Amino acid sequence: DQQVKQNSPSLSVQEGRISILNCDYTNSMFDYFLWYKKYPAEGPTFLISISSIKDKNEDGRFTVFLNKSAKHLSLHIVPSQPGDSAVYFCAASEGYSGGSNYKLTFGKGTLLTVNP
Amino acid sequence: EADIYQTPRYLVIGTGKKITLECSQTMGHDKMYWYQQDPGMELHLIHYSYGVNSTEKGDLSSESTVSRIRTEHFPLTLESARPSHTSQYLCASSEWGTVPDEQYFGPGTRLTVT
Repeated sequence: DQQVKQNSPSLSVQEGRISILNCDYTNSMFDYFLWYKKYPAEGPTFLISISSIKDKNEDGRFTVFLNKSAKHLSLHIVPSQPGDSAVYFCAASEGYSGGSNYKLTFGKGTLLTVNP
Repeated sequence: EADIYQTPRYLVIGTGKKITLECSQTMGHDKMYWYQQDPGMELHLIHYSYGVNSTEKGDLSSESTVSRIRTEHFPLTLESARPSHTSQYLCASSEWGTVPDEQYFGPGTRLTVT
């Protein structure tokens, strides 16, 4: 059963416009959410994260919004640039619990294409 | 810049061969992970380690085995490769105690078993 869902396999936007990537989750025990970006033939790289005690986290052009009641988060990229074209993975983990691990559960990813 | 390396980057091998995928990191991270990913699918955790001589199986059952004799080295071995093992294998590492667990990934090994 997939606990982290990215229902849009792909998204295409024009350069300069906003890109909105969505992610839904089912496990109410998730406390941390991360976004990774992956270029072809490279490993994923960490982009931005958010804790469940927040509803927004911003880093430059990237903002992640969390709606805990809806078990939904989204990544906004403004303005989008052609170099942002990549696969974006949403990941989630449960919180710290006395030495427990922080295993990440990943979604299937969304391929973002930013057209010049 | 994360320093985590995987070799080989691409491997095509016949059924029944023994293979070892190498993963090394120079960041002194205690935690290391192996993920398996098929195209268009999520990353599945197959093995993890929290330090030397510590290894655990992940959420996805795998016929591979791992070892952690040195902090910086976390190789994955398949004793007898099969076509069903064809996939991309990603190694990652992270620092103990960081929240959330920001994992640094290597470039991956794309394995094809014929």
